[in-house]
Amino acid sequence: DAGVIQSPRHEVTEMGQEVTLRCKPISGHDYLFWYRQTMMRGLELLIYFNNNVPIDDSGMPEDRFSAKMPNASFSTLKIQPSEPRDSAVYFCASSFTGGEAFFGQGTRLTVV
Amino acid sequence: SQKIEQNSEALNIQEGKTATLTCNYTNYSPAYLQWYRQDPGRGPVFLLLIRENEKEKRKERLKVTFDTTLKQSLFHITASQPADSATYLCALPLSGGYQKVTFGTGTKLQVIP
Repeated sequence: DAGVIQSPRHEVTEMGQEVTLRCKPISGHDYLFWYRQTMMRGLELLIYFNNNVPIDDSGMPEDRFSAKMPNASFSTLKIQPSEPRDSAVYFCASSFTGGEAFFGQGTRLTVV
Repeated sequence: SQKIEQNSEALNIQEGKTATLTCNYTNYSPAYLQWYRQDPGRGPVFLLLIRENEKEKRKERLKVTFDTTLKQSLFHITASQPADSATYLCALPLSGGYQKVTFGTGTKLQVIP
């Protein structure tokens, strides 16, 4: 397996634009997590899914953020409209129940 | 409130020495604790998991201890090498679910040749 695959690796967008981040988890994993990492706040859990169902989205900062997992092999994190304070590295991770999380390479988002 | 604390200051040690990193947590009793390594520009990579009923766990040059009374985990790298230089993060499930893992802010380790 190629591991967790995220796209794009880098995204630069203007304030107010919609941004969609994509993630392909490891095949067979039943949990998928979206994290955001900044220097100030470290690695924050935004939302996680179990068997494609959102379990806890209490970390999603605002209604501008939404996440979906239409099937076991794909998830998206959308920000609409984007703001400069959303600039961060966004990580997707997957795991099998009770096991460690495998992280993707991350998407570095810059909102100007 | 529940918190995870890692020393935010970088740790510099000489090659060959043992590096010891600390993770403290408050107001919770987690079922397990994990340690991850993160290199610049990359996602965290899992290293070790220790459960609440385990006092110590080893993997090659790595050793983790878990003191549920002190609410503290220590992470040791013996015979450290420059390649061990990275940021090390502890992670544990705070309230809200067994899989809902929260990360500490990490400690940057620099091993000097």
